[in-house]
Amino acid sequence: DGGITQSPKYLFRKEGQNVTLSCEQNLNHDAMYWYRQDPGQGLRLIYYSQIVNDFQKGDIAEGYSVSREKKESFPLTVTSAQKNPTAFYLCASSISGRWVGGEQYFGPGTRLTVT
Amino acid sequence: SQQGEEDPQALSIQEGENATMNCSYKTSINNLQWYRQNSGRGLVHLILIRSNEREKHSGRLRVTLDTSKKSSSLLITASRAADTASYFCATDGRIQGAQKLVFGQGTRLTINP
Repeated sequence: DGGITQSPKYLFRKEGQNVTLSCEQNLNHDAMYWYRQDPGQGLRLIYYSQIVNDFQKGDIAEGYSVSREKKESFPLTVTSAQKNPTAFYLCASSISGRWVGGEQYFGPGTRLTVT
Repeated sequence: SQQGEEDPQALSIQEGENATMNCSYKTSINNLQWYRQNSGRGLVHLILIRSNEREKHSGRLRVTLDTSKKSSSLLITASRAADTASYFCATDGRIQGAQKLVFGQGTRLTINP
């Protein structure tokens, strides 16, 4: 799991509530990413940030929000607008913000269940 | 969209045998990467092969890349029970003006003792 921590490992929420997933890295990486993984599927990019105070929408950003106020932190908020929030969420980072096609380092993931 | 597609979706072999997984993609790339994911965990980077490389080795792993066929293969030799995991290929490239790393759906590998 390298130098990326995600907390908590399991998270349970009631429908209609916003929830924030934590992601912290001590690798001094410029770029950070949030992915969603559903059972039997690959990773889908939610948001990414190439530099502090800047972030871009990925392929499935609707119903999610992020912030990047510090280099080491990239929290993800799952809002009540996200229709299907139950999933496994993975945070990752990479060294360079200029080239996001390089090796990515992943955290252990947070499994979110919304009922 | 530019997506790596792994084949097969699932593979079950006996310990000691070799395992081969394939990945196909649609557009030109700068590099292709392979990652491993143990059940319920994050992904771990295994190997990166650049578009101008044809083959790369790392321990028991051998990766090939054929850019003319837009395909790559991952070979794990002398498999062990600990190799049981899902394996994903990831391709980078410019999609809608933005450079992204796109993951396939993975091959689920089971090594039987």
